[in-house]
Amino acid sequence: DTAVSQTPKYLVTQMGNDKSIKCEQNLGHDTMYWYKQDSKKFLKIMFSYNNKELIINETVPNRFSPKSPDKAHLNLHINSLELGDSAVYFCASSSRGVLQETQYFGPGTRLLVL
Amino acid sequence: SQQGEEDPQALSIQEGENATMNCSYKTSINNLQWYRQNSGRGLVHLILIRSNEREKHSGRLRVTLDTSKKSSSLLITASRAADTASYFCATGGSTGANSKLTFGKGITLSVRP
Repeated sequence: DTAVSQTPKYLVTQMGNDKSIKCEQNLGHDTMYWYKQDSKKFLKIMFSYNNKELIINETVPNRFSPKSPDKAHLNLHINSLELGDSAVYFCASSSRGVLQETQYFGPGTRLLVL
Repeated sequence: SQQGEEDPQALSIQEGENATMNCSYKTSINNLQWYRQNSGRGLVHLILIRSNEREKHSGRLRVTLDTSKKSSSLLITASRAADTASYFCATGGSTGANSKLTFGKGITLSVRP
């Protein structure tokens, strides 16, 4: 009965590879997010989708491509991985009602690029 | 650009003591939220305070907001070892489909048993 789940939990890969991270939420929320947390714990938003539509796209390299097949899923595909992509990636979701801005986070995917 | 900045960066206290953490921000906000992150886990929402509110309580948590000083504080009373975690403030600039939260760098709280 996990609210926001991510797979995989750990991802170790070589530079130049392509990898995907998946996220699913069962909260009935209409908005989902991807965040990147660096080694200093700084958390930065990358993307946000509302009802499968991209609404926030921060200055993220084109190698990162989110895909939302439906409201409950938001995947992140990363091409040509670089050393600097090593971080923890968090998925989150929220309801976009006027009073509901609380975000619910997944457990994170620890990506290590060698 | 980073919005919230927490202070101090690290805090170590004895179990039973109160912990006070501060957050300052730069632009106008719609709401301010505090989250907790245990080691190796995702963030968990603790409390939300709106720009027209000055104080809010939830269990052992007390949050204040001073929009004139663009600052907020989180007080945890009667701390427990289980409160050991990183605490983040996050500011919400607007409501609506394109609103987003901007997180600070976090405060590492250690509660010694």
